[in-house]
Amino acid sequence: QKEVEQDPGPLSVPEGAIVSLNCTYSNSAFQYFMWYRQYSRKGPELLMYTYSSGNKEDGRFTAQVDKSSKYISLFIRDSQPSDSATYLCAMSDGQGGKLIFGQGTELSVKP
Amino acid sequence: SQTIHQWPATLVQPVGSPLSLECTVEGTSNPNLYWYRQAAGRGLQLLFYSVGIGQISSEVPQNLSASRPQDRQFILSSKKLLLSDSGFYLCACNAGTGGSPEAFFGQGTRLTVV
Repeated sequence: QKEVEQDPGPLSVPEGAIVSLNCTYSNSAFQYFMWYRQYSRKGPELLMYTYSSGNKEDGRFTAQVDKSSKYISLFIRDSQPSDSATYLCAMSDGQGGKLIFGQGTELSVKP
Repeated sequence: SQTIHQWPATLVQPVGSPLSLECTVEGTSNPNLYWYRQAAGRGLQLLFYSVGIGQISSEVPQNLSASRPQDRQFILSSKKLLLSDSGFYLCACNAGTGGSPEAFFGQGTRLTVV
């Protein structure tokens, strides 16, 4: 079993839709949770960073962490064609900072 | 904030040739440094990480090696490339133990072995 599981998609939605992206994990020691956005042929860029359980909102993006279920989510409201990218979840136990990534979900937002 | 310089952006190399990819970091000291490989349509596979000069951990056995000759310099090498070494190579850094773990990435090197 992989430490972090993420549905690779692809996921296609119409412009304006609410998008839900998810990851599950098996290591209960993970405390730091991140979402990255990666455009084609570019390096990933940090989108959201959450420590422990709870919600965090930044504009149209909301990150949720449920440590009891070992499940994290990223919601994108009012999705735009410019949101079309691969979204990667990542997590760490904070000991040495090594990040473990999910496989990434490819998202396409159609105009 | 940190800036990661990675070059070249694109590289085409014949099978059996050597490889050297370099990554340098600005704006931080004593970072953790990472090399990841990403196959087309796949996630990031951690190849090497380093917590300090000369300290390298290898995550998977392979045809590659890494070195960290200076605090903010990380080099990925191979003596003889294989076709299976083709991929998108990414250098990343984050703060060391006790610091925030979020990582920042360079723009990657797309390696094609022919």
